[in-house]
Amino acid sequence: SQTIHQWPATLVQPVGSPLSLECTVEGTSNPNLYWYRQAAGRGLQLLFYSVGIGQISSEVPQNLSASRPQDRQFILSSKKLLLSDSGFYLCAWSVQSGDQPQHFGDGTRLSIL
Amino acid sequence: QKEVEQNSGPLSVPEGAIASLNCTYSDRGSQSFFWYRQYSGKSPELIMFIYSNGDKEDGRFTAQLNKASQYVSLLIRDSQPSDSATYLCAVNTGGFKTIFGAGTRLFVKA
Repeated sequence: SQTIHQWPATLVQPVGSPLSLECTVEGTSNPNLYWYRQAAGRGLQLLFYSVGIGQISSEVPQNLSASRPQDRQFILSSKKLLLSDSGFYLCAWSVQSGDQPQHFGDGTRLSIL
Repeated sequence: QKEVEQNSGPLSVPEGAIASLNCTYSDRGSQSFFWYRQYSGKSPELIMFIYSNGDKEDGRFTAQLNKASQYVSLLIRDSQPSDSATYLCAVNTGGFKTIFGAGTRLFVKA
């Protein structure tokens, strides 16, 4: 069966510091991968999605970036965090067909001080 | 802009009752519809998906889709306190993008 791992679970970072969140998927090949952010009491905001190694689509212009160095690895990064980057970051995967459901990792709760 | 709308709630129902959660979407070309359950502080968990008009049942859950009215709903029969959570409606509008509603909070009273 497929599993998705996301870490760390919680993170507290000062403003201006860098960020690296990692997500890996097991049990499937060539998945679609997604990064979402959820602000408190809000819906899911799609940040990036990837349909293959090195292929990244950005949905929201901001100080975040994403990379997919391996088929089942997805990384979310920032060079300098802003206060507004606080939130619950979720990685998700789906099979390649676009109309299939997405499955989420446990998420990273990021607090910026 | 493509949108998915849900009543934020909270929707409060007594234990054993039917909870009815509703969702409307703006993109008439949408083909795939999903319901997720999200407990406080946790990530969303897929509970139902539906692609065709009509009803789809899975245990205590029934998803209903009406593409003409651009309306999708989730019924939870015999509601339990453990069903208390936020329910997210999600719609695939084509390609690789799925739009999520902000969710409806459900509270089941014991």
